[in-house]
Amino acid sequence: QLQLQESGPGLVKPSETLSLTCTVSGDSISGTSINWAWIRQPPGKGLEWIGTIYYSGNAYYNPSLQSRVTISVDTSKNQISLRVSSVTAADTAVYYCATHMNTVATDWFDPWGQGTLVTVSS
Amino acid sequence: QSALTQPASVSGSPGQSITISCTGTSSDIGVYNFVSWYQQHPGKGPKLMLYDVSKRPSGVSNRFSGSKSGNTASLTISGLLAEDEGDYYCCSYAGSTTWLFGGGTKLTVL
Repeated sequence: QLQLQESGPGLVKPSETLSLTCTVSGDSISGTSINWAWIRQPPGKGLEWIGTIYYSGNAYYNPSLQSRVTISVDTSKNQISLRVSSVTAADTAVYYCATHMNTVATDWFDPWGQGTLVTVSS
Repeated sequence: QSALTQPASVSGSPGQSITISCTGTSSDIGVYNFVSWYQQHPGKGPKLMLYDVSKRPSGVSNRFSGSKSGNTASLTISGLLAEDEGDYYCCSYAGSTTWLFGGGTKLTVL
């Protein structure tokens, strides 16, 4: 069973770039057909899909964030990364990584990490 | 794209049944059978409870069931237990390789 753990700075200044890492344990992600997603949750609010990177390397992003977001995979480190540029207070949230099963026949996000809180403030 | 609409809160007594609705549009729930539901307890990451509208992952109780009619999906929990208390979120594929989540529903077991 895969386990995911998010990590990164808990505080980021406005206009700077938020960088987070999701470390996968339980199996190597190299050579697998697993897709990975980042999802966030502002304090007291609902979930928001940020983006998904497929095992093919193609990545798709929420249109509202597309110009500022990059998701990448480092198979040598068993990690998935998220970068959000030009952050504002609206980017303050708990950030989750998750595996994303998405085929023509099925679709779901599971498992998820515990999440990491990122606060944007000067 | 707007978030899917869920009631802010629902409640029920142990043993009762409750239903949580999730309303979208003809561009997401209305056209795709890729609706999933997640349970979240405080301080924890969400857990998959249902996928593809009504399918249960291994290990999820058969007290959880799902359905869809038009632009609205529903999650029903029967025989409520105290451990069912938490936040529930729906999610739907919205086309063009994008996904939408609902705003979440807080379930209180009285």
